[in-house]
Amino acid sequence: GENVEQHPSTLSVQEGDSAVIKCTYSDSASNYFPWYKQELGKGPQLIIDIRSNVGEKKDQRIAVTLNKTAKHFSLHITETQPEDSAVYFCAASSNSGYALNFGKGTSLLVTP
Amino acid sequence: NAGVMQNPRHLVRRRGQEARLRCSPMKGHSHVYWYRQLPEEGLKFMVYLQKENIIDESGMPKERFSAEFPKEGPSILRIQQVVRGDSAAYFCASSPNQGRGASGANVLTFGAGSRLTVL
Repeated sequence: GENVEQHPSTLSVQEGDSAVIKCTYSDSASNYFPWYKQELGKGPQLIIDIRSNVGEKKDQRIAVTLNKTAKHFSLHITETQPEDSAVYFCAASSNSGYALNFGKGTSLLVTP
Repeated sequence: NAGVMQNPRHLVRRRGQEARLRCSPMKGHSHVYWYRQLPEEGLKFMVYLQKENIIDESGMPKERFSAEFPKEGPSILRIQQVVRGDSAAYFCASSPNQGRGASGANVLTFGAGSRLTVL
């Protein structure tokens, strides 16, 4: 089955710095790559996604890049703020087309 | 728009009891997915349902676990004879339709989860 690896598992940055989280996947059939933010005690919330026909997508301070050849994709958060502190999960679509395979998450801490 | 509603938010059961978790999808969504999250782990797919149909239950344990999405009412994830290893957060997600092939998977909206503790 699909295996999604996510690094780092924890990340601490100072407010205003950038944060980068990287994921790799194994199934070449995967064509949808969402990123979710999960705050303590809450459900995952979609923050950005990218499909395989696009190499990069940006939404204000958040950007995602995708390298299908290398099977990796990354989340970039610029000008981080304390409220960005949360656990971030990457995911890749399975060959079923609807189930998502998630990474184990990155706990991001942004210190003032 | 109330979003995906899950209840109960917290459930405590003793070993051997039954747990029932409910999920009402977003208004206009007819597809429901259940995921399980163990401590410090990512979410694992369990089952995908449409109204009155189980489409894919490949991620669900073969015994003790069942799911339904009746014509009327919420989707139910049922765990019989719970064991300590069932302790986890169970998340429900919904989508408006099924996306496959070149268009890719659908955007999922998750609920806040139901946290099951088995004593």
